[in-house]
Amino acid sequence: DQQVKQNSPSLSVQEGRISILNCDYTNSMFDYFLWYKKYPAEGPTFLISISSIKDKNEDGRFTVFLNKSAKHLSLHIVPSQPGDSAVYFCAAISYGGSQGNLIFGKGTKLSVKP
Amino acid sequence: KAGVTQTPRYLIKTRGQQVTLSCSPISGHRSVSWYQQTPGQGLQFLFEYFSETQRNKGNFPGRFSGRQFSNSRSEMNVSTLELGDSALYLCASSHGTTGSYEQYFGPGTRLTVT
Repeated sequence: DQQVKQNSPSLSVQEGRISILNCDYTNSMFDYFLWYKKYPAEGPTFLISISSIKDKNEDGRFTVFLNKSAKHLSLHIVPSQPGDSAVYFCAAISYGGSQGNLIFGKGTKLSVKP
Repeated sequence: KAGVTQTPRYLIKTRGQQVTLSCSPISGHRSVSWYQQTPGQGLQFLFEYFSETQRNKGNFPGRFSGRQFSNSRSEMNVSTLELGDSALYLCASSHGTTGSYEQYFGPGTRLTVT
């Protein structure tokens, strides 16, 4: 059973517009969430994270929103740039679990068109 | 600060053989986690080592094992290779302490089993 779900396998956005990537989770014990970006033939790169005690975290063009009641989080990229084209993974962890056990979604491939 | 390094980057092995992959974490990081990435299953957690001890283990058969050395470097071993073990193997390092959940990934080792 998938505990972290990214229901959109792909997303296409025009350069300069907003990209919104979504992630749902089922385990209410998760209390820390992370977003990673992955280019082909490279390891995932950490982008931004959020604790469950917050509902928003910003870092430059990237903002993550968390809706705990809906068990939903989203990553907003504004403005989108062609270099943002990559696969984006949502991941979750619970404080009670091991530090090492990130649970990943299956990813959303973002294409930003010039 | 140097990032996470993994060696070798590419490996081709035959069914039944064994393989050892190596990971050097970011300096100062004491936790090393290993993940397997395949097109069908996405990123799946193998195990985590912290201060030379396995702290958590994912749902993989005993053919998959690992260890960590006193300098935090880690190795992963797969014995009796099967075709289904073909995947990208990623290692990630972190401080591994409470409140520090961001993991930083290496470029991965692409293993092909023929």
